[in-house]
Amino acid sequence: DAKTTQPNSMESNEEEPVHLPCNHSTISGTDYIHWYRQLPSQGPEYVIHGLTSNVNNRMASLAIAEDRKSSTLILHRATLRDAAVYYCILRDVSNTGKLIFGQGTTLQVKP
Amino acid sequence: NAGVTQTPKFRILKIGQSMTLQCTQDMNHNYMYWYRQDPGMGLKLIYYSVGAGITDKGEVPNGYNVSRSTTEDFPLRLELAAPSQTSVYFCASRNRPSSGAPSYEQYFGPGTRLTVT
Repeated sequence: DAKTTQPNSMESNEEEPVHLPCNHSTISGTDYIHWYRQLPSQGPEYVIHGLTSNVNNRMASLAIAEDRKSSTLILHRATLRDAAVYYCILRDVSNTGKLIFGQGTTLQVKP
Repeated sequence: NAGVTQTPKFRILKIGQSMTLQCTQDMNHNYMYWYRQDPGMGLKLIYYSVGAGITDKGEVPNGYNVSRSTTEDFPLRLELAAPSQTSVYFCASRNRPSSGAPSYEQYFGPGTRLTVT
């Protein structure tokens, strides 16, 4: 399975944008890039996913590099509730949809 | 919809005891998964199922068993508990992908915190 590399931790100020990077240099052509986040003492929750084009939803934006070897999750205005561990995951190309989690990035949001 | 529910929330086992972690989803999802999360680490896949009667091993299946007799339920069995199985266990489910489906989003339960001493 292709692996991802993320910084262990990042800090942000409340109401400022946050850019969470992810490197995936061995990504294959059919790998989707998924982002999940895990709030303290909760199960992970889906944030966003994409294949080649940039994606937006109500939670975040996903910017994918043209060569697809990296991507960036963008939170447009961080709130205290966004403090979580963010996981960048390359979805298994088989139809089983297995997710291989790395250690993720712990985001701290300061008031 | 309740989504994915897990019971119990917490459990303490003695070494060598057995128990079953329960997982139920009410979204009629075909795919279900069991993960474990050790402190400070990401989740690791234990077992998964693509439908009733079909299960397969994930990354860390040793010491666990599963069954899938119905679409809704996917219990995880620990036969001889060991301290290395102290972890938080998460169950997840997702729908079968189809054309036009918005995503391959997995829905996670709240977790079961298990301690083996």
